Amino acid sequence: QMQLQESGPGLLRSSDTLSLTCAVSGYSINSNYWWGWIRQPPGKGLEWMGYIFHTGSAFYNPSLQSRVTMSVRKSENHFSLTVTSVTAMDTAMYYCARSQCTSAGCYVDNWGQGTLVTVSS
Amino acid sequence: QSALTQPPSVSGSPGQSVTISCTGTSSDVGHFHPVSWYQQPPGTAPKLIIYEVNNRPSGVPDRFSGSNSGNTASLTISGLQPEDEADYYCSSYTTTSTLVFGGGTKLTVL
Repeated sequence: QMQLQESGPGLLRSSDTLSLTCAVSGYSINSNYWWGWIRQPPGKGLEWMGYIFHTGSAFYNPSLQSRVTMSVRKSENHFSLTVTSVTAMDTAMYYCARSQCTSAGCYVDNWGQGTLVTVSS
Repeated sequence: QSALTQPPSVSGSPGQSVTISCTGTSSDVGHFHPVSWYQQPPGTAPKLIIYEVNNRPSGVPDRFSGSNSGNTASLTISGLQPEDEADYYCSSYTTTSTLVFGGGTKLTVL
């Protein structure tokens, strides 16, 4: 059974760079799925951040594109998220997720348990 | 891209049916991109319950069903049960190859 597990620092200061990793177990990242990140500020809704294919092709949320980068490390079967110049607005639960895409579109079919990132000023 | 529009809250009594709407634009829901739905009980990660308009992953009860009409998609939960109380989110693929979520709807089972 496939599992996704996020890891990374839980507390950052304003202007820091946020770096998270998602370890994929029970399934190869080198497959026909997109691997991405979704975040949820406390008490608020879900915000899609972006996803990346194992080839390195990626799409990002236009509102975050200038600060977000995603990467894949196939040899370690994990993928990563980097967000630069964080502020308190980036405080959220960060979920890594797998998306399945067909000719009609894409949807998220598996989620990690999430990791809380707090940005202090 | 703007979030899809969902009602903030809906409620129903056990055994009743409720419907949650999800309105987008011609760049997402209205562009023939099938909507997916997610259930998020308090303190847990979201879980896929409907994909490609009206398909259910294994293990999701057939009390959950979806539909699309123009720019609006809908999730119907029939025979409400107490364990259905959760936040529900819709999502759509967009014309720019991204995904967008709705603002979420809190379902209360009275």
